[in-house]
Amino acid sequence: AQRVTQPEKLLSVFKGAPVELKCNYSYSGSPELFWYVQYSRQRLQLLLRHISRESIKGFTADLNKGETSFHLKKPFAQEEDSAMYYCALRIWDTDKLIFGTGTRLQVFP
Amino acid sequence: DVKVTQSSRYLVKRTGEKVFLECVQDMDHENMFWYRQDPGLGLRLIYFSYDVKMKEKGDIPEGYSVSREKKERFSLILESASTNQTSMYLCASRLDRGSDRSYEQYFGPGTRLTVT
Repeated sequence: AQRVTQPEKLLSVFKGAPVELKCNYSYSGSPELFWYVQYSRQRLQLLLRHISRESIKGFTADLNKGETSFHLKKPFAQEEDSAMYYCALRIWDTDKLIFGTGTRLQVFP
Repeated sequence: DVKVTQSSRYLVKRTGEKVFLECVQDMDHENMFWYRQDPGLGLRLIYFSYDVKMKEKGDIPEGYSVSREKKERFSLILESASTNQTSMYLCASRLDRGSDRSYEQYFGPGTRLTVT
């Protein structure tokens, strides 16, 4: 069965500390993975997708097919990074996204 | 800029009422989605639609129906609201044409529904 697991409900760090939000997936097909972010009082929006191999707001995520992971990383957290982060898996040849349960990142000053 | 709007930010209804949640997008997107967002459960897909009058069940369609009479509008209907349908409801849309960002879903601001 397709599944996305985000093991941490809450991750708290101090400003300037490295951040890693974990995401593991279970899927027999070719995975396409995304990170979505929801800042306080804002709508959910795409942060990055693995196909683009880009860095957005200092965040990167590498797809590791061997470990079936797509962890989100940032070397130096900022207070404005505080938000809810969702990892999502697209089911191949459909529009369906399977979301994880989300991780709330709190960055303290 | 893609704009997805939802008719209400907050809604309070009584058990057994019929509830309509409306979603409108202004970018001529073919695909539209309804999710519910619950703490600890993340986002779960209720229904989606590929085109006008087309609909497909998502992962949790029970207790819900949808309507898509016009391309820009996708309605979620709770035939007889129950307390376990108290939740945040998110609508999203996506362009179904080849482009580098074609699999990005654009979300509305959400409707927080409380059923008492």
